[in-house]
Amino acid sequence: AQKVTQAQTEISVVEKEDVTLDCVYETRDTTYYLFWYKQPPSGELVFLIRRNSFDEQNEISGRYSWNFQKSTSSFNFTITASQVVDSAVYFCALSDRDTGNQFYFGTGTSLTVIP
Amino acid sequence: DADVTQTPRNRITKTGKRIMLECSQTKGHDRMYWYRQDPGLGLRLIYYSFDVKDINKGEISDGYSVSRQAQAKFSLSLESAIPNQTALYFCATAWDRGTEAFFGQGTRLTVV
Repeated sequence: AQKVTQAQTEISVVEKEDVTLDCVYETRDTTYYLFWYKQPPSGELVFLIRRNSFDEQNEISGRYSWNFQKSTSSFNFTITASQVVDSAVYFCALSDRDTGNQFYFGTGTSLTVIP
Repeated sequence: DADVTQTPRNRITKTGKRIMLECSQTKGHDRMYWYRQDPGLGLRLIYYSFDVKDINKGEISDGYSVSRQAQAKFSLSLESAIPNQTALYFCATAWDRGTEAFFGQGTRLTVV
């Protein structure tokens, strides 16, 4: 079974629009960790955020914000006022005891910001 | 210098050849991982190691082997490369359970 689902394969937005990337996860553990990574066209994987299952407080970092909702098993990522530099593939990941504390990645969402 | 270094960065090899991808890290982390990335499939775990004496198979270990030579070094081998092992390979490290992973720059491997 897919432990992390990113249903949006590709998204295109016009610069300055807001965009939300969806992430739905599945786990039986009560303790788990969620992550978002960015992969720009250059190919490296850049860590964006980590959230543990006991902290449902939403987080904002500049134009980035994350909405964690345990009731819907979702950890969505919003970019406000998107910029061309935000064009990248974004991955959501889960780590829990079921997976031996590995990192289980979604299939990624490719975001294109059109100038 | 990068904290997690992969060599080579690019490699073209022939079917049936043995090839080794190397990963070294200066972060002092015990946990190391090898992932492969294929278009539309995200990152899939090949092997992982939580210390020098601990090696575990991941989701797609068939056709691969690993060696953890030291805390800082984790190598991935393809014993007899086949074309469907053409992919982007990433090494990663993590400090502890639940902490974020740090990735190398990736190795683009093409098997012809």
